[in-house]
Amino acid sequence: DAMVIQNPRYQVTQFGKPVTLSCSQTLNHNVMYWYQQKSSQAPKLLFHYYDKDFNNEADTPDNFQSRRPNTSFCFLDIRSPGLGDAAMYLCATSRGGQGNTEAFFGQGTRLTVV
Amino acid sequence: DQQVKQNSPSLSVQEGRISILNCDYTNSMFDYFLWYKKYPAEGPTFLISISSIKDKNEDGRFTVFLNKSAKHLSLHIVPSQPGDSAVYFCAASAQGAQKLVFGQGTRLTINP
Repeated sequence: DAMVIQNPRYQVTQFGKPVTLSCSQTLNHNVMYWYQQKSSQAPKLLFHYYDKDFNNEADTPDNFQSRRPNTSFCFLDIRSPGLGDAAMYLCATSRGGQGNTEAFFGQGTRLTVV
Repeated sequence: DQQVKQNSPSLSVQEGRISILNCDYTNSMFDYFLWYKKYPAEGPTFLISISSIKDKNEDGRFTVFLNKSAKHLSLHIVPSQPGDSAVYFCAASAQGAQKLVFGQGTRLTINP
């Protein structure tokens, strides 16, 4: 009964070859997030969707794009992966709206760039 | 600019004793704070949270303390158990921001 599902768990891609990571949720949450986490560092927010509204972080490289075709699914596209993009990519959801709620995370996708 | 800081990369505690993990923040707009636990090769899982209107929140073995004047929070685990060995992340959000800012994490090891 996983609530936030990321596929694949492990992804190997070639330098410069576009890659897409996927995330789905069964929680019907309004907000979906993509975080990048490199070893021993804090998870870094790349962008998030509130419903269909896309919110990009100011320092997220243009190489990273996202799509949210419906409430349940969100994709992270890396147009031309570099060696520095190797990381764990975490998808998360939250209810949104008034008040504070916690975010629920998927298991992550470990991206390797060769 | 690291808005949320966990200055101890690692902590080792004996089983049965108290574990205390610390977190500092710089943004005075933060009003909601969370702790997440992360096992290797898994995503973070929510542990406990606290709103800025409180200074303490307790859930079983886990207690979070918030000192707003010092911009400091801590997570107490007592008694510590081997299954508590994991990386613990502190996170914060500002009202209406709909996003969490994370610290770097502290790796907690509970020794038998």
